[in-house]
Amino acid sequence: DAKTTQPPSMDCAEGRAANLPCNHSTISGNEYVYWYRQIHSQGPQYIIHGLKNNETNEMASLIITEDRKSSTLILPHATLRDTAVYYCIVGYALNFGKGTSLLVTP
Amino acid sequence: DTGVSQDPRHKITKRGQNVTFRCDPISEHNRLYWYRQTLGQGPEFLTYFQNEAQLEKSRLLSDRFSAERPKGSFSTLEIQRTEQGDSAMYLCASSPLKIKEKLFFGSGTQLSVL
Repeated sequence: DAKTTQPPSMDCAEGRAANLPCNHSTISGNEYVYWYRQIHSQGPQYIIHGLKNNETNEMASLIITEDRKSSTLILPHATLRDTAVYYCIVGYALNFGKGTSLLVTP
Repeated sequence: DTGVSQDPRHKITKRGQNVTFRCDPISEHNRLYWYRQTLGQGPEFLTYFQNEAQLEKSRLLSDRFSAERPKGSFSTLEIQRTEQGDSAMYLCASSPLKIKEKLFFGSGTQLSVL
């Protein structure tokens, strides 16, 4: 399974877009990129996934580079409730790594 | 069906005791996973089932740990002779067979071993 690299922490002002990067340079052609988030004391929550096209749902947008070696999760208008740890997973990777701890500030 | 449910939410036990946790997955999901999470770390995979078959086990799953999913529905995770190092959040997740990487997690069982 491909390995991912994420920054350990990020800050974002409330109402602004939060852009969370993920590097996955060893991704295989048929491996999807999945994003989850975990709010304190809860289980992780699925956000979005994609293969090569950009994807959008009610929670977020996912931008995958043309070479598929990196992706960005975009929360278009971050709120305080978006403060969480965000995990980028590639393929059938069963371990989540440490993710990015996003702090949304007033 | 409102999602994956886990019971109990919290468990405090003394070292050396046995504990058992239960997970009820989303009813139409074929796959069921167990994870362990300690403070500051992401969830670490322990084992997963497809229907009643246990298909993969992590090296983290020592012989004191056993998981079952007898009828392909709910699952139990038992830890025998608990140690302080077993203190963690134990998370269960399920996924549909068609999108096996799309996991739905329960709220977890927080285990404290004194």
